[in-house]
Amino acid sequence: AQSVAQPEDQVNVAEGNPLTVKCTYSVSGNPYLFWYVQYPNRGLQFLLKYITGDNLVKGSYGFEAEFNKSQTSFHLKKPSALVSDSALYFCAVRDGGGNNRKLIWGLGTSLAVNP
Amino acid sequence: IAGITQAPTSQILAAGRRMTLRCTQDMRHNAMYWYRQDLGLGLRLIHYSNTAGTTGKGEVPDGYSVSRANTDDFPLTLASAVPSQTSVYFCASSDLWGTQYFGPGTRLTVL
Repeated sequence: AQSVAQPEDQVNVAEGNPLTVKCTYSVSGNPYLFWYVQYPNRGLQFLLKYITGDNLVKGSYGFEAEFNKSQTSFHLKKPSALVSDSALYFCAVRDGGGNNRKLIWGLGTSLAVNP
Repeated sequence: IAGITQAPTSQILAAGRRMTLRCTQDMRHNAMYWYRQDLGLGLRLIHYSNTAGTTGKGEVPDGYSVSRANTDDFPLTLASAVPSQTSVYFCASSDLWGTQYFGPGTRLTVL
Protein backbone atom coordinates (compact mmCIF):
# COMPACT_ATOMS: atom_id res chain seq x y z
CA ALA A 1 0.00 0.00 0.00
CA GLN A 2 1.11 3.53 -0.67
CA SER A 3 2.15 5.41 2.44
CA VAL A 4 4.29 8.18 3.84
CA ALA A 5 5.77 8.19 7.33
CA GLN A 6 7.16 11.12 9.25
CA PRO A 7 8.52 9.33 12.30
CA GLU A 8 8.95 12.42 14.47
CA ASP A 9 5.95 14.43 15.65
CA GLN A 10 8.27 17.22 16.77
CA VAL A 11 11.84 18.26 16.13
CA ASN A 12 13.66 20.78 18.28
CA VAL A 13 16.86 22.47 17.16
CA ALA A 14 18.89 25.47 18.25
CA GLU A 15 19.16 28.44 15.91
CA GLY A 16 22.24 28.15 13.73
CA ASN A 17 22.40 24.37 14.01
CA PRO A 18 21.63 22.06 11.09
CA LEU A 19 18.15 20.58 10.96
CA THR A 20 16.74 17.37 9.54
CA VAL A 21 13.09 16.42 9.22
CA LYS A 22 12.67 12.78 8.28
CA CYS A 23 10.36 11.19 5.72
CA THR A 24 10.09 7.65 4.41
CA TYR A 25 7.69 6.40 1.79
CA SER A 26 6.25 3.30 0.19
CA VAL A 27 4.92 3.26 -3.38
CA SER A 28 4.70 0.66 -6.10
CA GLY A 29 6.05 2.81 -8.93
CA ASN A 30 8.60 5.60 -9.23
CA PRO A 31 7.99 8.16 -6.51
CA TYR A 32 7.39 11.85 -7.01
CA LEU A 33 8.27 13.37 -3.63
CA PHE A 34 7.31 16.72 -2.15
CA TRP A 35 7.89 18.84 0.95
CA TYR A 36 5.52 21.53 2.15
CA VAL A 37 5.60 24.00 5.04
CA GLN A 38 2.64 25.36 6.97
CA TYR A 39 2.91 28.43 9.16
CA PRO A 40 0.23 29.00 11.83
CA ASN A 41 -3.21 29.82 10.41
CA ARG A 42 -1.93 29.59 6.83
CA GLY A 43 -2.26 27.22 3.92
CA LEU A 44 0.49 24.83 2.92
CA GLN A 45 3.34 26.24 0.88
CA PHE A 46 5.39 24.17 -1.57
CA LEU A 47 9.09 23.92 -0.65
CA LEU A 48 10.65 21.47 -3.10
CA LYS A 49 10.12 18.29 -5.07
CA TYR A 50 11.99 15.31 -6.49
CA ILE A 51 10.79 13.84 -9.77
CA THR A 52 13.96 12.49 -11.35
CA GLY A 53 17.61 13.36 -11.75
CA ASP A 54 20.01 14.56 -9.05
CA ASN A 55 19.20 13.00 -5.69
CA LEU A 56 19.87 16.28 -3.87
CA VAL A 57 17.10 18.76 -4.49
CA LYS A 58 17.30 22.42 -3.48
CA GLY A 59 14.20 24.42 -2.67
CA SER A 60 12.88 27.60 -1.13
CA TYR A 61 14.25 29.34 1.99
CA GLY A 62 17.56 27.43 1.89
CA PHE A 63 15.98 24.01 2.34
CA GLU A 64 17.17 20.91 0.52
CA ALA A 65 16.21 17.25 0.50
CA GLU A 66 17.99 14.08 -0.44
CA PHE A 67 16.27 11.24 -2.25
CA ASN A 68 17.57 7.85 -1.17
CA LYS A 69 16.01 5.07 -3.20
CA SER A 70 17.54 2.17 -1.25
CA GLN A 71 16.28 3.55 2.06
CA THR A 72 13.03 4.88 0.51
CA SER A 73 13.65 8.18 2.25
CA PHE A 74 13.40 11.86 1.39
CA HIS A 75 14.69 13.78 4.41
CA LEU A 76 14.43 17.57 4.52
CA LYS A 77 17.55 19.44 5.59
CA LYS A 78 18.88 22.91 6.19
CA PRO A 79 22.48 23.71 7.13
CA SER A 80 21.66 26.50 9.58
CA ALA A 81 18.21 26.81 11.18
CA LEU A 82 16.42 30.09 11.75
CA VAL A 83 13.79 30.85 14.37
CA SER A 84 11.52 31.78 11.47
CA ASP A 85 11.76 28.18 10.20
CA SER A 86 9.55 27.10 13.11
CA ALA A 87 6.46 25.62 11.44
CA LEU A 88 4.71 22.39 10.52
CA TYR A 89 6.34 20.40 7.73
CA PHE A 90 4.61 17.84 5.53
CA CYS A 91 6.11 15.22 3.26
CA ALA A 92 4.00 13.83 0.39
CA VAL A 93 4.41 11.28 -2.39
CA ARG A 94 2.76 10.69 -5.74
CA ASP A 95 2.91 7.17 -7.10
CA GLY A 96 4.45 7.72 -10.53
CA GLY A 97 3.04 9.71 -13.44
CA GLY A 98 -0.16 9.26 -15.33
CA ASN A 99 -3.49 10.93 -14.80
CA ASN A 100 -3.64 10.33 -11.06
CA ARG A 101 -2.03 13.33 -9.43
CA LYS A 102 -3.28 12.69 -5.92
CA LEU A 103 -0.68 12.93 -3.18
CA ILE A 104 -0.29 10.68 -0.17
CA TRP A 105 0.53 12.82 2.85
CA GLY A 106 2.51 12.29 6.01
CA LEU A 107 0.98 13.48 9.28
CA GLY A 108 3.44 16.33 9.61
CA THR A 109 6.38 17.22 11.82
CA SER A 110 6.37 20.29 14.01
CA LEU A 111 9.75 22.05 13.89
CA ALA A 112 10.71 24.34 16.75
CA VAL A 113 13.87 26.39 16.35
CA ASN A 114 14.99 27.83 19.65
CA PRO A 115 16.89 31.13 19.82
CA ILE B 1 -1.77 36.42 -9.74
CA ALA B 2 -3.90 35.34 -6.76
CA GLY B 3 -3.40 31.57 -7.10
CA ILE B 4 -6.12 29.92 -5.03
CA THR B 5 -8.78 31.91 -3.23
CA GLN B 6 -11.23 30.50 -0.69
CA ALA B 7 -14.32 31.98 0.89
CA PRO B 8 -15.38 32.48 3.56
CA THR B 9 -12.29 32.77 5.74
CA SER B 10 -14.21 31.44 8.70
CA GLN B 11 -17.77 30.50 9.51
CA ILE B 12 -19.82 29.40 12.50
CA LEU B 13 -22.73 27.24 11.41
CA ALA B 14 -25.66 25.67 13.19
CA ALA B 15 -25.97 21.91 12.87
CA GLY B 16 -28.33 20.89 10.12
CA ARG B 17 -27.68 23.94 7.97
CA ARG B 18 -26.42 23.78 4.42
CA MET B 19 -23.11 25.43 3.62
CA THR B 20 -21.02 25.91 0.48
CA LEU B 21 -17.32 26.63 0.68
CA ARG B 22 -16.02 28.41 -2.37
CA CYS B 23 -12.71 27.82 -4.14
CA THR B 24 -11.38 29.56 -7.24
CA GLN B 25 -8.03 29.24 -8.99
CA ASP B 26 -6.46 31.34 -11.72
CA MET B 27 -3.64 28.98 -12.72
CA ARG B 28 -5.68 26.99 -15.27
CA HIS B 29 -4.82 23.75 -13.52
CA ASN B 30 -6.95 20.78 -14.50
CA ALA B 31 -6.81 19.00 -11.13
CA MET B 32 -8.31 20.35 -7.91
CA TYR B 33 -8.76 18.97 -4.41
CA TRP B 34 -10.57 19.54 -1.13
CA TYR B 35 -8.92 18.55 2.14
CA ARG B 36 -9.82 18.83 5.76
CA GLN B 37 -7.13 19.30 8.40
CA ASP B 38 -7.68 18.13 11.95
CA LEU B 39 -5.16 18.06 14.78
CA GLY B 40 -3.31 14.78 14.86
CA LEU B 41 -4.94 13.51 11.66
CA GLY B 42 -3.02 15.53 9.12
CA LEU B 43 -4.60 16.30 5.76
CA ARG B 44 -7.44 14.08 4.59
CA LEU B 45 -8.74 14.20 1.04
CA ILE B 46 -12.49 14.78 0.79
CA HIS B 47 -13.10 15.02 -2.97
CA TYR B 48 -11.03 15.72 -6.02
CA SER B 49 -11.47 16.59 -9.68
CA ASN B 50 -8.98 15.62 -12.39
CA THR B 51 -10.59 17.94 -14.94
CA ALA B 52 -13.68 20.07 -15.44
CA GLY B 53 -16.81 17.95 -15.55
CA THR B 54 -15.39 15.06 -13.48
CA THR B 55 -15.15 14.49 -9.74
CA GLY B 56 -14.03 11.67 -7.47
CA LYS B 57 -14.28 10.63 -3.85
CA GLY B 58 -11.34 10.88 -1.49
CA GLU B 59 -10.89 9.12 1.81
CA VAL B 60 -13.55 11.04 3.80
CA PRO B 61 -16.33 11.99 1.33
CA ASP B 62 -19.42 11.29 3.46
CA GLY B 63 -21.53 14.36 4.12
CA TYR B 64 -19.81 16.40 1.40
CA SER B 65 -20.45 16.98 -2.29
CA VAL B 66 -18.58 18.87 -4.99
CA SER B 67 -19.13 20.07 -8.52
CA ARG B 68 -16.73 21.16 -11.26
CA ALA B 69 -18.66 23.10 -13.87
CA ASN B 70 -15.54 24.87 -15.17
CA THR B 71 -11.77 24.85 -14.76
CA ASP B 72 -11.56 27.67 -12.23
CA ASP B 73 -14.21 26.85 -9.61
CA PHE B 74 -14.53 23.89 -7.28
CA PRO B 75 -17.16 24.46 -4.56
CA LEU B 76 -17.60 22.09 -1.61
CA THR B 77 -21.10 21.69 -0.15
CA LEU B 78 -22.13 20.37 3.24
CA ALA B 79 -25.78 19.42 2.74
CA SER B 80 -26.63 19.16 6.45
CA ALA B 81 -23.73 20.13 8.68
CA VAL B 82 -22.83 18.08 11.77
CA PRO B 83 -20.41 18.97 14.59
CA SER B 84 -17.86 16.40 13.39
CA GLN B 85 -17.42 18.54 10.28
CA THR B 86 -15.82 21.23 12.41
CA SER B 87 -12.42 21.57 10.81
CA VAL B 88 -10.13 23.68 8.65
CA TYR B 89 -10.82 23.12 4.97
CA PHE B 90 -8.20 23.62 2.27
CA CYS B 91 -8.67 23.75 -1.46
CA ALA B 92 -5.73 23.02 -3.76
CA SER B 93 -4.95 22.67 -7.43
CA SER B 94 -2.06 20.82 -9.03
CA ASP B 95 0.16 21.18 -12.05
CA LEU B 96 1.12 18.36 -14.40
CA TRP B 97 3.88 17.13 -12.05
CA GLY B 98 1.49 16.88 -9.14
CA THR B 99 2.77 19.91 -7.25
CA GLN B 100 -0.23 21.14 -5.29
CA TYR B 101 -0.91 24.79 -4.55
CA PHE B 102 -3.10 25.59 -1.58
CA GLY B 103 -5.58 28.25 -0.69
CA PRO B 104 -5.54 30.02 2.68
CA GLY B 105 -8.22 27.77 4.16
CA THR B 106 -11.69 28.10 5.67
CA ARG B 107 -12.12 27.55 9.39
CA LEU B 108 -15.56 26.02 9.93
CA THR B 109 -17.23 25.51 13.29
CA VAL B 110 -20.48 23.54 13.45
CA LEU B 111 -22.43 23.94 16.67
